[in-house]
Amino acid sequence: AQSVTQLGSHVSVSEGALVLLRCNYSSSVPPYLFWYVQYPNQGLQLLLKYTSAATLVKGINGFEAEFKKSETSFHLTKPSAHMSDAAEYFCAVTYAGGTSYGKLTFGQGTILTVHP
Amino acid sequence: DAGVIQSPRHEVTEMGQEVTLRCKPISGHNSLFWYRQTMMRGLELLIYFNNNVPIDDSGMPEDRFSAKMPNASFSTLKIQPSEPRDSAVYFCASIPSGSGFYNEQFFGPGTRLTVL
Repeated sequence: AQSVTQLGSHVSVSEGALVLLRCNYSSSVPPYLFWYVQYPNQGLQLLLKYTSAATLVKGINGFEAEFKKSETSFHLTKPSAHMSDAAEYFCAVTYAGGTSYGKLTFGQGTILTVHP
Repeated sequence: DAGVIQSPRHEVTEMGQEVTLRCKPISGHNSLFWYRQTMMRGLELLIYFNNNVPIDDSGMPEDRFSAKMPNASFSTLKIQPSEPRDSAVYFCASIPSGSGFYNEQFFGPGTRLTVL
């Protein structure tokens, strides 16, 4: 069975500070990992995804994430936070094989607050 | 492209009433997913379709919930009878035809359901 755990339901940073959102996964087979962002009253939007190519993945809005198999982690980072980054972020996992057809398992989400 | 369209955006109903949520996926997308989002349980996959056929409905809470996809451009999620614990935001998402399981899911804006 696959699962993801997001450490910290709330993260608060100052504008211009480093953003680090943590995600650990559990999968018995090679995983495919995603970060989605949800702005208030909107659906989810893909930030970036890992599909077994490069372990450092760059996404939209200056975000990136690094797949570390030894640590079973896929943490999301951004060097300098902007006010517009305030949102809820979800880590998700799927895997190859069976009839998954892109069936995603989501973490509980991390709310990012950015202070002026 | 208009993106994934969901209607209504907000629904308030009384316990025991039938509720029908609607989704129009992006044209050319052949896999469709229904999710439910609550504070307590996070984002849960209810059911997904591939080429209009339900592939996995293991996430459907109980027999009060049913979903159909009569054609490639329309899906419904019905709750009958509704209960207060069904109050949640319901999302529909789709992925393109021929895409792999690791591709981006495109989410609709959601339907916020309140059952009194």
